[in-house]
Amino acid sequence: DSGVTQTPKHLITATGQRVTLRCSPRSGDLSVYWYQQSLDQGLQFLIQYYNGEERAKGNILERFSAQQFPDLHSELNLSSLELGDSALYFCASSSGVRNTEAFFGQGTRLTVV
Amino acid sequence: GDSVTQMEGPVTLSEEAFLTINCTYTATGYPSLFWYVQYPGEGLQLLLKATKADDKGSNKGFEATYRKETTSFHLEKGSVQVSDSAVYFCALSDSGNTPLVFGKGTRLSVIA
Repeated sequence: DSGVTQTPKHLITATGQRVTLRCSPRSGDLSVYWYQQSLDQGLQFLIQYYNGEERAKGNILERFSAQQFPDLHSELNLSSLELGDSALYFCASSSGVRNTEAFFGQGTRLTVV
Repeated sequence: GDSVTQMEGPVTLSEEAFLTINCTYTATGYPSLFWYVQYPGEGLQLLLKATKADDKGSNKGFEATYRKETTSFHLEKGSVQVSDSAVYFCALSDSGNTPLVFGKGTRLSVIA
């Protein structure tokens, strides 16, 4: 158990809908990262938050947004969903802003139908 | 930009065989290098890491040496077990300050 909790584990929704994925980092970790894993693109970095502030942005679509709350949990919001958004979404956390070691949650499998 | 290239899978080996999974990288700075493993239905787990040239990371019988001259970080294990069946990801973080950049992963299947 990595200590990173993601909910829900599975999500099935229709095109055009909006969903929210939740992540609770390991106790004491201030950085949260979101990754998308798909068969064709592999693991793609989406966004990083550190202590409530956006720290780094990767290949995140404008339809997607995220935030980190004062209790350090994070949410990834995906809107106007398309079939191609179907993927595994992973959250990871690390203790500092430097990425010396990141701990991953078990992921949320999103299926858009 | 930074990138990681690792050998295409899947790799199928018999138990007790020697394993090598090749990984090379491109980075503008001085990266830290990692191997992560993903068992079926689970998230990624850090397997080993190295932060400077000639460092050797090791864990659970797996080893990888940071080779700056060849920009490589190949994963090796002398004798694989069925329980090693998983997907292995090579990754880098440029100077440890940037989010991890992953290779596409190599699926390993070990048969008894």
